[in-house]
Amino acid sequence: EIVLTQSPGTLSLSPGERATLSCRASQSVSSTYLTWYQQKPGQAPRLLIYGASSRATGIPDRFSGSGFGTDFTLTISKLEPEDFAVYYCQQYGSSIFTFGPGTKVDIK
Amino acid sequence: EVQLVESGGGLVQPGGSLRLSCAASGFTFSSYSMNWVRQAPGKRLEWVSYVSSSSSAIYYADSVKGRFTISRDNAKNSLYLQMNSLRAEDTAVYYCARDRGSHMAFDPWGQGTLVTVSS
Repeated sequence: EIVLTQSPGTLSLSPGERATLSCRASQSVSSTYLTWYQQKPGQAPRLLIYGASSRATGIPDRFSGSGFGTDFTLTISKLEPEDFAVYYCQQYGSSIFTFGPGTKVDIK
Repeated sequence: EVQLVESGGGLVQPGGSLRLSCAASGFTFSSYSMNWVRQAPGKRLEWVSYVSSSSSAIYYADSVKGRFTISRDNAKNSLYLQMNSLRAEDTAVYYCARDRGSHMAFDPWGQGTLVTVSS
């Protein structure tokens, strides 16, 4: 089973700053099946990025995804107040889906 | 509007059973694969089970294999999760989520239903 590790665990930033979130896999992941979600307290997760770099419908272009193999990155170019949340990466392979532990982006 | 609404959660004793339902609307349910994902309080998301559009392919996480059964009724636009032999560690909010398609991404998600396993 592929294990996903996310870093940092918590990212403390101010609105307007750039956020760079990392997702590392224990073995190579197909970019087609690497996904990012955003979750706010008390809410269900929301799809942000699929296929490692494609934005979901309605997601602002300040969110971007990149990477391949075992290293993937979610970048938020300029944090807006509504972006402070927990971000999870997810992968699919061999009939199994796994999630990373999440990165919390909070207000500095 | 695409909508997923879970129901059936509640308090159950260890060793007990519960059946969750997810009612889908706003899209052609029979054309999409579906998933159950859970989240224990303060913990990460954990995928539970997947069923393809025609139920020809079904997958489970090792943690629930042999105890949980996923099913769907395309005529009723509904997804189900039969949970047997429940344990304290199954306590979580359970979400149903539509599979986006070729990228195996989940979109959208329901609001979740809480399952508490406790004596």
